[in-house]
Amino acid sequence: SQQGEEDPQALSIQEGENATMNCSYKTSINNLQWYRQNSGRGLVHLILIRSNEREKHSGRLRVTLDTSKKSSSLLITASRAADTASYFCATGNSGGGADGLTFGKGTHLIIQP
Amino acid sequence: ETGVTQSPTHLIKTRGQQVTLRCSSQSGHNTVSWYQQALGQGPQFIFQYYREEENGRGNFPPRFSGLQFPNYSSELNVNALELDDSALYLCASSLGTGRYSPLHFGNGTRLTVT
Repeated sequence: SQQGEEDPQALSIQEGENATMNCSYKTSINNLQWYRQNSGRGLVHLILIRSNEREKHSGRLRVTLDTSKKSSSLLITASRAADTASYFCATGNSGGGADGLTFGKGTHLIIQP
Repeated sequence: ETGVTQSPTHLIKTRGQQVTLRCSSQSGHNTVSWYQQALGQGPQFIFQYYREEENGRGNFPPRFSGLQFPNYSSELNVNALELDDSALYLCASSLGTGRYSPLHFGNGTRLTVT
């Protein structure tokens, strides 16, 4: 079953603009991760935020986590054509790494040149 | 540093047949996880192998089985294939089974069951 739900399902913006994607989840987590997937290829890990963290930055990426609302957001600043991809949030539950990650259905981001 | 490699890249099988997919872990990674990604969906966790034993499993029937070898490479076996097994199968390696270990994915095997 899918725990995370990304919003919007699809997003199209102009190059240079900022892109914001949201993720909501249902159960208690110990961390939330964001991955990128280019068409038909494997996923690439972008950033991990622990349940006791509220915000994290990595280059042009900014992730926030609100455990009281069970939601997270991923902001990509100054978007580039190469950012065109699907973005997934994935949650790790309190059971530990052996339970695997639970992924959402993803947001398909298109950057128009 | 060698990344995660999967073979074959594409495969077509007939309903009822059996299939074996292969994965080589990223150098230094001792844990392998397998995920199934249906078209338009996010990946779903099948199972995880650590020290050659299955140590975690998602909601998949027993006809999905796996192996991990001493060199940390892995196989996913699916018996009695069904049409709904058509999907992209992703292998991911990580260093340890810890909850904070990011996954490193291969490019997947696209399985089509006819």
